[in-house]
Amino acid sequence: EADIYQTPRYLVIGTGKKITLECSQTMGHDKMYWYQQDPGMELHLIHYSYGVNSTEKGDLSSESTVSRIRTEHFPLTLESARPSHTSQYLCASSEYPGSGGEKLFFGSGTQLSVL
Amino acid sequence: SQQGEEDPQALSIQEGENATMNCSYKTSINNLQWYRQNSGRGLVHLILIRSNEREKHSGRLRVTLDTSKKSSSLLITASRAADTASYFCATAALRGGGADGLTFGKGTHLIIQP
Repeated sequence: EADIYQTPRYLVIGTGKKITLECSQTMGHDKMYWYQQDPGMELHLIHYSYGVNSTEKGDLSSESTVSRIRTEHFPLTLESARPSHTSQYLCASSEYPGSGGEKLFFGSGTQLSVL
Repeated sequence: SQQGEEDPQALSIQEGENATMNCSYKTSINNLQWYRQNSGRGLVHLILIRSNEREKHSGRLRVTLDTSKKSSSLLITASRAADTASYFCATAALRGGGADGLTFGKGTHLIIQP
């Protein structure tokens, strides 16, 4: 079982609200990621980080933002949630930044529903 | 565009039988990985095979890689009810192989009937 935690597991909110999805890992991994996944579909990378103070956008354009102030913490924020943001958000980390062949450790995900 | 595509999209077999899933991809890769996802949960890494490897085993799992056909297969032998899950292949691009180049397919949903 991976030591990477996401909260909350489920979140139902109204349109226009600001939300933060939390992700923490206790493995000391430098590289962390956020993926978005719709039911029965593939994962899309929306953000990643090589370490503290490093954030990059992924392949899928997202209105969310991320920060990396501490190695273990990689929160994702939506300033104004919309129904189109309804999806599952998965956080992951890996041990070797920038090198080939590393594997990802995933959290259990946050299922976000925006009404 | 999508790099990895799993086939079949869904598979239902009896407990004890073997399950085979396939993955095809389009561009050259550094490595290919298989992950399992239980319903509503995160993904769990199963096995990684590098581009210079042809076959790899881990317990009841056997993965093959054919770079000339740009395809991989995952075989689960002696399936159990607990193997019921979605299985994803993920390819790491040749340029770096790091996970920022990791592309996931849509997955194969495997159901093991008791």
